[in-house]
Amino acid sequence: DTAVSQTPKYLVTQMGNDKSIKCEQNLGHDTMYWYKQDSKKFLKIMFSYNNKELIINETVPNRFSPKSPDKAHLNLHINSLELGDSAVYFCASSQDITPGRSGYGYTFGSGTRLTVV
Amino acid sequence: GDSVTQMEGPVTLSEEAFLTINCTYTATGYPSLFWYVQYPGEGLQLLLKATKADDKGSNKGFEATYRKETTSFHLEKGSVQVSDSAVYFCALEIYNQGGKLIFGQGTELSVKP
Repeated sequence: DTAVSQTPKYLVTQMGNDKSIKCEQNLGHDTMYWYKQDSKKFLKIMFSYNNKELIINETVPNRFSPKSPDKAHLNLHINSLELGDSAVYFCASSQDITPGRSGYGYTFGSGTRLTVV
Repeated sequence: GDSVTQMEGPVTLSEEAFLTINCTYTATGYPSLFWYVQYPGEGLQLLLKATKADDKGSNKGFEATYRKETTSFHLEKGSVQVSDSAVYFCALEIYNQGGKLIFGQGTELSVKP
């Protein structure tokens, strides 16, 4: 069983389109994240949810909207796609972020490679 | 602000060579520190971690020691294999920041037979 699964693995789309990436984890973790990895492999956090509540919302264009229907799922919807959105998007989850009990690290999905043409 | 700096890659080694990948950090408070590995076409996997000063994390022959005095968490392995070829990321988690990880830029390692 895959612990953190993302779909689709590859996504090629035209500028201006709207697309969604789905993520599911079966680890029972409370917190889920979206990270963006650019062409130079640099990773930057976009969002995180803890038990369906948004807790981290970095400086991301409002064309990006996360949705967490339950604590096992975190989806990412992107409106009006631009060339600069091309990247690999990783979903991740973590066990416990409570101060003093954190430090577990993340379990990552295998990524979604988004190419905007 | 909080940040992680890793040595530039790519690093190319022969099989059985000694590996060091340097990582230094800047953080307020007392972060937890991590090394992740990314094989081609895959997501990141947690390699090892340390949650307080002087802790040593180890896994699969890799080691790193949390050095508060030098704000460093260098990754080492005594004898690398071709299968260790990957990109290695150092990361820190700041206390009470909702589990947010800040990553270094990654260091690509290539091991030749």
